Amino acid sequence: DAGITQSPRHKVTETGTPVTLRCHQTENHRYMYWYRQDPGHGLRLIHYSYGVKDTDKGEVSDGYSVSRSKTEDFLLTLESATSSQTSVYFCAISESSSSYNEQFFGPGTRLTVL
Amino acid sequence: GNSVTQMEGPVTLSEEAFLTINCTYTATGYPSLFWYVQYPGEGLQLLLKATKADDKGSNKGFEATYRKETTSFHLEKGSVQVSDSAVYFCALERGSTLGRLYFGRGTQLTVWP
Repeated sequence: DAGITQSPRHKVTETGTPVTLRCHQTENHRYMYWYRQDPGHGLRLIHYSYGVKDTDKGEVSDGYSVSRSKTEDFLLTLESATSSQTSVYFCAISESSSSYNEQFFGPGTRLTVL
Repeated sequence: GNSVTQMEGPVTLSEEAFLTINCTYTATGYPSLFWYVQYPGEGLQLLLKATKADDKGSNKGFEATYRKETTSFHLEKGSVQVSDSAVYFCALERGSTLGRLYFGRGTQLTVWP
């Protein structure tokens, strides 16, 4: 199994509070991704990174920011959480952007915003 | 734009039944196509993939053929097992988009003994 961990695994927070989710990898892969999973929507890309300090937006980036100061860590921040951000968040990593390289997914973080 | 449409679930089958989960896509150019599986409480795992037209991906008894003429990548298995119960996601990747995946909504499969 690819070495990907996510923390926390579960979190309950209140509307308006900041929240940071962490993705940590031990594979030294260049590409990292944050997705959210919602019923009826599958997985949707929030942000991704193609190297240290190199990030870009995905299709549902509003209300989220990311940072990558080290190869192994990719942080997702909700500056002011809203109930619409209640979801399961998955981190993924990939050695390259080529489709010949598999994306490996972490175990997920279940976030509930009350 | 890029999108994936897969059949609505849930799908409920008896053990040893034949499985088909339909997937069609819209994409510019020549995408790569994937099926991912998510077992309860876990993250997604790659099940199979195909990177060009007429390629067949296969793994664990599952198969899917990349059909460019019908823009489809249907997942099939001849004889399902209880252990195949999971959510299955079809996805595509366009080579110019830094490896990002576009997912379908997922299809819940439940297999009864």
